[in-house]
Amino acid sequence: QVQLQESGPGLVKPSQTLSLTCIVSGGSISSDNYYWSWVRQPAGKGLEWIGHIYTSGSTKYNPSLKGRLTISVDKSRNQFSLRLNSVTAADTAVYFCARILYRGYYFDSWGQGTLVTVSS
Amino acid sequence: DIQMTQSPSTLSASVGDRVTITCRASQTISNWLAWYQQKPGKAPKLLIYKASSLESGVPSRFSGSGSGTEFTLTISSLQPDDFATYYCQLYDTYYYTFGQGTKLEIK
Repeated sequence: QVQLQESGPGLVKPSQTLSLTCIVSGGSISSDNYYWSWVRQPAGKGLEWIGHIYTSGSTKYNPSLKGRLTISVDKSRNQFSLRLNSVTAADTAVYFCARILYRGYYFDSWGQGTLVTVSS
Repeated sequence: DIQMTQSPSTLSASVGDRVTITCRASQTISNWLAWYQQKPGKAPKLLIYKASSLESGVPSRFSGSGSGTEFTLTISSLQPDDFATYYCQLYDTYYYTFGQGTKLEIK
């Protein structure tokens, strides 16, 4: 049973970079059966897909965040990461990492989520 | 971009009721439509994928249907554990979109 666990700072200052890592256990991030993704949820609001990465390193990003966003994968550590530049208060949210089934196009496993607050 | 409209935003029901939640797409989509249940402070949980396929371990009182632009999630007989928020999610050409959510409350 795969498990995903987010880690990273819970507080980021405006204009700085938000960095999170998702550690994958119980499964290989090198599998060609899955995409590895990030989803966020502001308090009291709905879910927003941020972007995803495939084992090959190819990425797709939400157009609303493109230009500020980088998702990368570290196969040696079985983890993937999110970097979001130039953050504002609007980026305050719970950030989830999640696995997407390749050619199934749904999120079948999720991390527990981590709250990131953007504030000075 | 394809827009998703999920309704209702809030639904009040009683244990034993049959309830239906709807997601409508702004244009015809393939059946890459999934449904999730989320409880406060928890990650979403997959219920239905490919519009009507039940995820392993999910009770059979949950079902999904629809095609084209309209998709529904039905809970045939509400149980106390079902009171939560539900989201639809579509896939279209590399991108993923979630519905606005339906909060299912106890009447």
